[in-house]
Order: sequence, then structure tokens, then C-alpha cells
Amino acid sequence: DVVMTQSPLSLPVTPGEPASISCRSSQSLLYSNGNNYLDWYLQKPGQSPQLLIYMGSNRASGVPDRFSGSGSGTDFTLKISRVEAEDVGVYYCMQALHIPLTFGGGTKVEIK
Amino acid sequence: EVQLVESGGELVQPGGSLRLSCAASGFTFSNYWMTWVRQAPGKGLEWLASIKKDGSDKYYVDSVKGRFTISKDNAKNSVYLQMSNLRAEDTAVYYCARRLGDSGWSVDYWGQGTLVTVSS
Repeated sequence: DVVMTQSPLSLPVTPGEPASISCRSSQSLLYSNGNNYLDWYLQKPGQSPQLLIYMGSNRASGVPDRFSGSGSGTDFTLKISRVEAEDVGVYYCMQALHIPLTFGGGTKVEIK
Repeated sequence: EVQLVESGGELVQPGGSLRLSCAASGFTFSNYWMTWVRQAPGKGLEWLASIKKDGSDKYYVDSVKGRFTISKDNAKNSVYLQMSNLRAEDTAVYYCARRLGDSGWSVDYWGQGTLVTVSS
């Protein structure tokens, strides 16, 4: 199975400042079609997860443009250009290429 | 508006069985693969199973193979998860989710979840 490793585990942030989360996979998520099959999900407190980024860098419908995804192969990054209070929650990366699908352990983002 | 509503979660004894349902609306259900994901209390997300648009193909994580069965009824716009031989470690919130498209396994809509508690 593909192991997904996120860092940091916890990320205190200041509103208006940038934030960055890293995700590393044990196998390449770059497919022969040139797509990287890596997603980012946000689970806000008390809510279901929501899709933020798919295929490494594509924002899902309705996701603000302060969220961006980058990376290729086995190393990926989610960046928030200017954190807002509503961005708190647990961020998960998920590899969407190999069955079984696997998630990272999560990064808890909280306001300082 | 896409909606996924899970039901069927409850307290069940170890070794028992349970069937979860997920009612879908707001999209053409027969055109989508569907997925079940669970989250143990205070823990992360675990993919469990996915089923093809017409129900003809299914995939499972090893930890539930032989115990859980995913099924799909396009006439009722519903996906199900039949769970048997339940263990304490199956205690979790169970989410159904819709696969985004035919390339990759991203899921774009999630239900609110239903809680399954396995305890004597």
C-alpha cells in the first residue's frame, strides 16, 4: 500500500499570513498521462471532509484561490496564501492513483 | 444540489451485522462510482470500498475484505455497505462519497456520516 506522510502534524497560523503543508508518498503518483493523482481535503470541526485540490493542483469547485497545490511524483505541497479564520481544521492529503486509496495522517491547522 | 445522506449506523455487538445506506440526490447517480470512507473516533480517514457506476466492479481495502460488501441500486439512487462479523475496531463514522470523474479516484461530495459503534 502507498504510505502518505504529512508534515507538520500541527500548524498554528496567524490570520493574513501564509501557511504550507507537505505531503510525501511512498510511491510515485505521477501517471503516464502526466497527471499527479494527489488530493487535498479539509475537514472543518464537526463537519465532513471537503475536496480542496485534486490532481495535485486543480482547485475544486467553489474553493477560494488562496488555496493552491503543487508538486509531482512523491512530494506535494498545499499552500494557503493568506490564512483566514474559516480555514481551521484538519487537512488530509490522499493518493488517488493506487487501490487501496490511502490518506495522510492529517495536519491540524489552528489560529494562534 | 448534490446531496448524500447516510443512515443505518447504530450500536451493535461484536460479531454482529449492520447495513448502512446512502441516499443520493441532485445528480445522475448511475453515472458515478461511489465510495465508502470511515473515520474512527479522533483518528484519520480510511478508504473502505468503491463500486462502479453499474455495480459490476468493486474494490475493497484488505481489512474489510470478506466482511463488508458494497452494493449499488441505481433505481433507488442508493449505495449500501453490508457489514458483518463486526469488531470493536470497526467503530467509526462512515461516510459515503461520490467519485469526481473517471480519471483518478478523487471524491468530490461527501455525506454527513453515520456512526457505527461496536461494543458489548
